[in-house]
Amino acid sequence: SQQGEEDPQALSIQEGENATMNCSYKTSINNLQWYRQNSGRGLVHLILIRSNEREKHSGRLRVTLDTSKKSSSLLITASRAADTASYFCAPDQGAQKLVFGQGTRLTINP
Amino acid sequence: DTAVSQTPKYLVTQMGNDKSIKCEQNLGHDTMYWYKQDSKKFLKIMFSYNNKELIINETVPNRFSPKSPDKAHLNLHINSLELGDSAVYFCASSQGWGPRGNEQFFGPGTRLTVL
Repeated sequence: SQQGEEDPQALSIQEGENATMNCSYKTSINNLQWYRQNSGRGLVHLILIRSNEREKHSGRLRVTLDTSKKSSSLLITASRAADTASYFCAPDQGAQKLVFGQGTRLTINP
Repeated sequence: DTAVSQTPKYLVTQMGNDKSIKCEQNLGHDTMYWYKQDSKKFLKIMFSYNNKELIINETVPNRFSPKSPDKAHLNLHINSLELGDSAVYFCASSQGWGPRGNEQFFGPGTRLTVL
């Protein structure tokens, strides 16, 4: 299976703290995407990082990719209550066949 | 003006029935997908279509049949529903499906409950 496996499965932090979620995958990829899912909603795209990129930023989000270790991380800085959601990584082998894991459930406590 | 819409939002039905879920996108995208999210939150791709042609067909029972009447619509028909089909089904779309990758836009989901 080429699914992205997120770690930890659940993370609870205080508002204002940084949250780091990790993702590992098993085969070579063309790119890797991160998505957010709020409870009862569809997924929302956060960032796409290509295999030749090592780091990418978008607002309070920072994604890194280490293809030698087949891993990626998502950092959310200065967390807010609205960041409470599940976060999924999705490795893309190149045929737009994203393979999602179980996600990391992030809870931001006020 | 919802980008990707699905109907119905909730579907409760008896085992053995046949049901359809409809999906429409108004983003002008070429590629559409169906995903299944189980109770443990695993999200698995089922099908994808590019310009009305099937390009991904994962190992799903042939009771599931997608139909794409045009680029903006991808419907999912399920025959002889079983208890294990209970899940949330998401439709998604993207602009193309090339190796560089494309952001996928998801619909709100259809929660299917088979009794």
